[in-house]
Amino acid sequence: GAGVSQSPSNKVTEKGKDVELRCDPISGHTALYWYRQSLGQGLEFLIYFQGNSAPDKSGLPSDRFSAERTGGSVSTLTIQRTQQEDSAVYLCASSPSRDRVQPLHFGNGTRLTVT
Amino acid sequence: DQQVKQNSPSLSVQEGRISILNCDYTNSMFDYFLWYKKYPAEGPTFLISISSIKDKNEDGRFTVFLNKSAKHLSLHIVPSQPGDSAVYFCAASDGSNYKLTFGKGTLLTVNP
Repeated sequence: GAGVSQSPSNKVTEKGKDVELRCDPISGHTALYWYRQSLGQGLEFLIYFQGNSAPDKSGLPSDRFSAERTGGSVSTLTIQRTQQEDSAVYLCASSPSRDRVQPLHFGNGTRLTVT
Repeated sequence: DQQVKQNSPSLSVQEGRISILNCDYTNSMFDYFLWYKKYPAEGPTFLISISSIKDKNEDGRFTVFLNKSAKHLSLHIVPSQPGDSAVYFCAASDGSNYKLTFGKGTLLTVNP
């Protein structure tokens, strides 16, 4: 079946502009995560959605970052007033449940470059 | 602070030999560990995991060893193949937290 789909695959934007990154999880997966990987760094947790529960936003680095998940499926990560330090690969992952033995299925990521 | 550390940014081995990738962690609450493999321009893919109640888990050519007292785990790949060339991430979670904490990754190159 189809995997996790992310769009766009690449995004170049000017400092100060807003960007929206999209994630289509695997159908039926209730858990959805956003991570980012900055150059030379590991994957950094951003936000977690599970079913209809309130999302865990504890990893969002500033109030310029927000995310929503509509209808328990598609998720959008929005970065307002982008800064150069926001340049990274943003990865979305989904899982059938919040059970830890269910590994995360990652998309190919969106490479964001802020100039 | 970095709770999951992969101190070797890169590793190069010959085809057919053993690859050993290491990972250290500082959080004693971590009780579940995973390895992910990542090719360029692709997302990480799950490779193998281990719970803290075990000290070894094997899946084909891949074996993960866990030393809880040393807070150390390692991934062994034998025999190594050129297709194994990728970045390997170690990740960990604790019993109360579904979030994974990742290391910075180790780039493995398997030379033909």
